[in-house]
Amino acid sequence: QKEVEQDPGPLSVPEGAIVSLNCTYSNSAFQYFMWYRQYSRKGPELLMYTYSSGNKEDGRFTAQVDKSSKYISLFIRDSQPSDSATYLCANTQGAQKLVFGQGTRLTINP
Amino acid sequence: DTAVSQTPKYLVTQMGNDKSIKCEQNLGHDTMYWYKQDSKKFLKIMFSYNNKELIINETVPNRFSPKSPDKAHLNLHINSLELGDSAVYFCASSQEAGVETQYFGPGTRLLVL
Repeated sequence: QKEVEQDPGPLSVPEGAIVSLNCTYSNSAFQYFMWYRQYSRKGPELLMYTYSSGNKEDGRFTAQVDKSSKYISLFIRDSQPSDSATYLCANTQGAQKLVFGQGTRLTINP
Repeated sequence: DTAVSQTPKYLVTQMGNDKSIKCEQNLGHDTMYWYKQDSKKFLKIMFSYNNKELIINETVPNRFSPKSPDKAHLNLHINSLELGDSAVYFCASSQEAGVETQYFGPGTRLLVL
C-alpha cells in the first residue's frame, strides 16, 4: 500500500461545476498536508498548505483535512478551464521529505 | 526571472551512456532537491541537499550521483543509463530544511533508448 493514494482520474467536468479531489494516506505521523497543481509539461506549484484538521479557504479553493480518517480533500468552486491540470496531494511529517500521491488529472470543459 | 531552472529540457540518449542534468536556483534558498516523476505521474524524492550537504538520500541506484558545487546549484549525474531511467526529473528548492514551500523547476525529460 502506498503511503499516499489518489484516484488518477481522468476527471472531466463542465465549467462552473464544483470539483472535489480526494486523497488518503496511511502514515499517522503525517502532520502537514499540501496540494500542488501541475500543468502539462510544467513543474508542480504549491496551491494550498494546511497543518491541522479542518478547512482552509483561499479564493475558489478549499482544502479539507480529516486526520481521524486520514482523508484529504480539495474543493474547487466555479471551476474554470484554466483549472485544468493534474492535482497532487503531498504529505510530510515535517522532515522536508514530501510524499506525493499519484495525482488526479482534471479537465474543465468550456 | 526564472526561479529554478534546469538544463537540458530534453535529453534523448542510448542505454549505457553517462549524462548530467544541471539545476540552478536564484531564490537564495538553502535546500535543493531532485525528484523523479515516472510515466504514471508518481513524483518521488531522490536527494536533498542543505547548504551543499546531503541530507536525504532515498533508495536510488549508485549510478545516480548528485553534486552541489554551491547552494545555488545541484547537478545530477547518471552513469550507465538504463531504459527504466526514462522519466521526468525535477529539481526543486526551499528556503530551509523543514516544512517550507518547495519551488519546482520545469523538469528535464529523459528518454533512454
